[in-house]
Amino acid sequence: DIQMTQSPSTLSASVGDRVTITCRAGQNINTWLAWYQQKPGKAPKLLIYQASSLEGGAPSRFSGSGSGTEFTLTISSLQPEDVAIYYCQQYNANSPRSFGQGTKVEIK
Amino acid sequence: EVQLVESGGGLVQPGGSLRLSCAVSGFTVSSNFMSWVRQAPGKGLEWVSVLYRGGSTYYADSVRGRFTISRDNSKNTLYLQMNSLRVEDTAVYYCARDHQTDYSDYWGQGTLVTVSS
Repeated sequence: DIQMTQSPSTLSASVGDRVTITCRAGQNINTWLAWYQQKPGKAPKLLIYQASSLEGGAPSRFSGSGSGTEFTLTISSLQPEDVAIYYCQQYNANSPRSFGQGTKVEIK
Repeated sequence: EVQLVESGGGLVQPGGSLRLSCAVSGFTVSSNFMSWVRQAPGKGLEWVSVLYRGGSTYYADSVRGRFTISRDNSKNTLYLQMNSLRVEDTAVYYCARDHQTDYSDYWGQGTLVTVSS
């Protein structure tokens, strides 16, 4: 199975800051990566798929990049409503799907 | 409007069984790939099982042989039959629609399963 490792585990930033979350895969997954946002008490919500494609309805301040084993999720200007836990997930065809452990984003 | 509504969660003793349901509206379950994902209290997301539109099924190692995913086309509903439940199966269980065999683009609100004596 493919191990996914996110960093940092917790991130505290000010409103308007640029925020970056990193996700590393245990082996090459090309661009078979998605990012989800989960707010407290809610189901996860798809933000990014195929590493860099923005899901319809997701705010344009969210962007994804990377390929192979290293990926990033960037929030260009952090907003109060972005307080959530963010998960990466790989969907390489030859391995069961797996998630990173999550990154909690807080407002400083 | 797409809606997925899970039900069937509750408190069960170790070794017991439970069947979760996911009633879907807005799309046809049998024409899509459908998954179950769970989240233990205060923990991260764990993929559990997927049902391909062609009928193939796959499971996480942690539940294989104990859980069975299925669907009822007439009711447009997805199920997860959970047998031989363990304390470590305690979690909120989400059903989700998958884009092909990839990521999940629609999620239900989840149903809590608690396994405890």
